[in-house]
Amino acid sequence: DGGITQSPKYLFRKEGQNVTLSCEQNLNHDAMYWYRQDPGQGLRLIYYSQIVNDFQKGDIAEGYSVSREKKESFPLTVTSAQKNPTAFYLCASSLSRDRGLYQPQHFGDGTRLSIL
Amino acid sequence: GIQVEQSPPDLILQEGANSTLRCNFSDSVNNLQWFHQNPWGQLINLFYIPSGTKQNGRLSATTVATERYSLLYISSSQTTDSGVYFCAAYNQAGTALIFGKGTTLSVSS
Repeated sequence: DGGITQSPKYLFRKEGQNVTLSCEQNLNHDAMYWYRQDPGQGLRLIYYSQIVNDFQKGDIAEGYSVSREKKESFPLTVTSAQKNPTAFYLCASSLSRDRGLYQPQHFGDGTRLSIL
Repeated sequence: GIQVEQSPPDLILQEGANSTLRCNFSDSVNNLQWFHQNPWGQLINLFYIPSGTKQNGRLSATTVATERYSLLYISSSQTTDSGVYFCAAYNQAGTALIFGKGTTLSVSS
């Protein structure tokens, strides 16, 4: 079955530690995205990538880093510079724009990150 | 940038009732999606509806792009419909979805 796999489901970070969240898709989508969700809020964009080896900052990129070495994979690293990392992180992917219409995004099941 | 507003913020229903959720957006949009986030956090695609009307079982959605709103209709609600409903539209650059704050629906039996 095609889909987006995020791992782990739960992650705990110690002070000063970097942690990496995994996102893999087998939908053959070109674009991938990372969003953060805080309690009672909608999602906010952290980073996005529209093609391999290229990625751009979203609205809240400070304290995060990404890489896009393969089409299928878009890992997110939460660095120690991110002072308030406790949140629910969602990865998404989509096809490229088709005949001028932006394509729907599909989401993984998310990773919950907490501070120890 | 584009702003997305949802109403009502909370909705409490008895099983079997119908409801309408509204999404207003501040500028013309190229794409609009409705999602249901279940209690486990999974974000499930309901509709991709830049314009017009679509139906899927007990759910239907209508987007009137010229008037900058979309409506999600839930008929004969069930307890499994509980959760948070989000609408989202692409920003002008087409690089990210802008989400509303959601409508929290609670359906009791």
